[in-house]
Amino acid sequence: DAGVIQSPRHEVTEMGQEVTLRCKPISGHDYLFWYRQTMMRGLELLIYFNNNVPIDDSGMPEDRFSAKMPNASFSTLKIQPSEPRDSAVYFCASSVSGQGLVGYTFGSGTRLTVV
Amino acid sequence: QKEVEQDPGPLSVPEGAIVSLNCTYSNSAFQYFMWYRQYSRKGPELLMYTYSSGNKEDGRFTAQVDKSSKYISLFIRDSQPSDSATYLCAMNPNRGGDKLTFGTGTRLAVRP
Repeated sequence: DAGVIQSPRHEVTEMGQEVTLRCKPISGHDYLFWYRQTMMRGLELLIYFNNNVPIDDSGMPEDRFSAKMPNASFSTLKIQPSEPRDSAVYFCASSVSGQGLVGYTFGSGTRLTVV
Repeated sequence: QKEVEQDPGPLSVPEGAIVSLNCTYSNSAFQYFMWYRQYSRKGPELLMYTYSSGNKEDGRFTAQVDKSSKYISLFIRDSQPSDSATYLCAMNPNRGGDKLTFGTGTRLAVRP
């Protein structure tokens, strides 16, 4: 298995532009998580899905952020409009019921820079 | 106050040293405790996990949980330069797929 695949690896964009981050979870995993990591705040959970349904989006900072999971093999995190304070590394992780917490697998992340 | 507190470091030790990494937490409902290792420019990967109090050993690594003090530790014996990474603690009250609460991570550098 190729693991959790995220794209792009790096994204540099101008303030006000729309940014879309993509994630392909491990086949068969039914949980998908979006995290944001910064030096100051560490890893923050933004939103997570179970069987493609959003379960908890309380970590989404504001309405500029949205996430979708149209099917079991694909999810997007969109920021519109982007701001410099959104600069961070965004991670996607997936897991499967039964393995629970020990089955968390993270992708390599997308490093977002908003200038 | 954050639910999970972790000293960010950086921690620099010579090769062969014993390393102690720690987290404190405030939520007494936490039952599952994990340590993740994150190399530079990579995602975190699970290193060890424990349930409730006690110790767990895996090679050079030992995880320790003291629920009465709300304190968890990761010990690394005979540390190697390849252990240089950021170590994050994580915890959750349930085994299910629910969200983990992470510490901010401790950067460790092991000098050859």
